[in-house]
Amino acid sequence: DAGVTQSPTHLIKTRGQQVTLRCSPKSGHDTVSWYQQALGQGPQFIFQYYEEEERQRGNFPDRFSGHQFPNYSSELNVNALLLGDSALYLCASSHTGDFPTDTQYFGPGTRLTVL
Amino acid sequence: AQTVTQSQPEMSVQEAETVTLSCTYDTSENNYYLFWYKQPPSRQMILVIRQEAYKQQNATENRFSVNFQKAAKSFSLKISDSQLGDTAMYFCAFMKSTNFGNEKLTFGTGTRLTIIP
Repeated sequence: DAGVTQSPTHLIKTRGQQVTLRCSPKSGHDTVSWYQQALGQGPQFIFQYYEEEERQRGNFPDRFSGHQFPNYSSELNVNALLLGDSALYLCASSHTGDFPTDTQYFGPGTRLTVL
Repeated sequence: AQTVTQSQPEMSVQEAETVTLSCTYDTSENNYYLFWYKQPPSRQMILVIRQEAYKQQNATENRFSVNFQKAAKSFSLKISDSQLGDTAMYFCAFMKSTNFGNEKLTFGTGTRLTIIP
């Protein structure tokens, strides 16, 4: 059973460019959450997708957008890249309705470097 | 809004010893979940243990156990018989409980734990 997968592993972009990161959830999971982890910090919640819609969003600008496909995989898009967008981007999947806890399982992350 | 505080940026302990990592949180919610995640140098965030706030009994998973003090809003992680593979960043995280069930995680800043051979 494959866990959460993310691609690419590493990415280097220049300021002003656009980037797309991809995530495939763990088998049986229908919900994908994205987090940004700056160097030396804890992950910060970007947004969550469920049933192909953005269900909740953290304090990130509109330059950050996403999508969820019918097979539950997801993309994170960042436009007009800034140096401060350099970070590890983590995808987490879960199954909504797995009470009492919808535990989130993380992928290995994509390291984005903006020059 | 919730906040999670980990006051120990770094810790080290000899192999086979016991170590306790601290975490405090602030919330006005009554129902929530707490988690400890481990992030080794490979970067993959791995779930270590979880605790439901409505349960008084502290969660345990093999060598890992928590001391959950709801009134004090404290959630510490104890690692017994520490092993070299326990070397990692450890993050404490909070998730509120709602009818939907699947909420965002709020993380602390982490504690870097080094196990010394």
